[in-house]
Amino acid sequence: GQQLNQSPQSMFIQEGEDVSMNCTSSSIFNTWLWYKQDPGEGPVLLIALYKAGELTSNGRLTAQFGITRKDSFLNISASIPSDVGIYFCACNNQGGKLIFGQGTELSVKP
Amino acid sequence: DTEVTQTPKHLVMGMTNKKSLKCEQHMGHRAMYWYKQKAKKPPELMFVYSYEKLSINESVPSRFSPECPNSSLLNLHLHALQPEDSALYLCASSQLTKDRQAQYFGPGTRLTVT
Repeated sequence: GQQLNQSPQSMFIQEGEDVSMNCTSSSIFNTWLWYKQDPGEGPVLLIALYKAGELTSNGRLTAQFGITRKDSFLNISASIPSDVGIYFCACNNQGGKLIFGQGTELSVKP
Repeated sequence: DTEVTQTPKHLVMGMTNKKSLKCEQHMGHRAMYWYKQKAKKPPELMFVYSYEKLSINESVPSRFSPECPNSSLLNLHLHALQPEDSALYLCASSQLTKDRQAQYFGPGTRLTVT
């Protein structure tokens, strides 16, 4: 079935460092979404990408929809302690369901 | 406004209890979803409502019963649950426009079955 391979699974970084995570798939998708989830809370939509090659920023976050439509990356610049959480990539399949990556758990050391 | 609200925030119930989870959105979205999530795992889809009609049931046990009273509200009725049903239950909503289906999640209900 369709699946998203998200990496890395976890990251331990120093405050102020830049972060990069990515998702790949063997299938083509028309939408790439990036969510952040804090413990005990629901996922919050960070960035939505709808066009191949699209590069979108949201504050310190930048995400790109790969030109092949099979991958996407999320970068966080100058990380701060509140960036801690689990980041999920997700795509819509033909049936309108969301397919999620397994998540990247980010820890930031002050 | 991209807010989805869920009540209660926390729920503890025995295996013989009947309880309901509630979800509300006022974004004019015509698709609403229930997910179950275990710790540090991605959400797992349970049900999808499109235009207030159940369109997807991911083979969820009948002890979970969804209901969509109107386009803004979504309920999940719980009865005779098992301890393994303890999880974070998330509601989400989205537009039904093709290729613009980003889903917006609520804060979740943390359910513990004793």
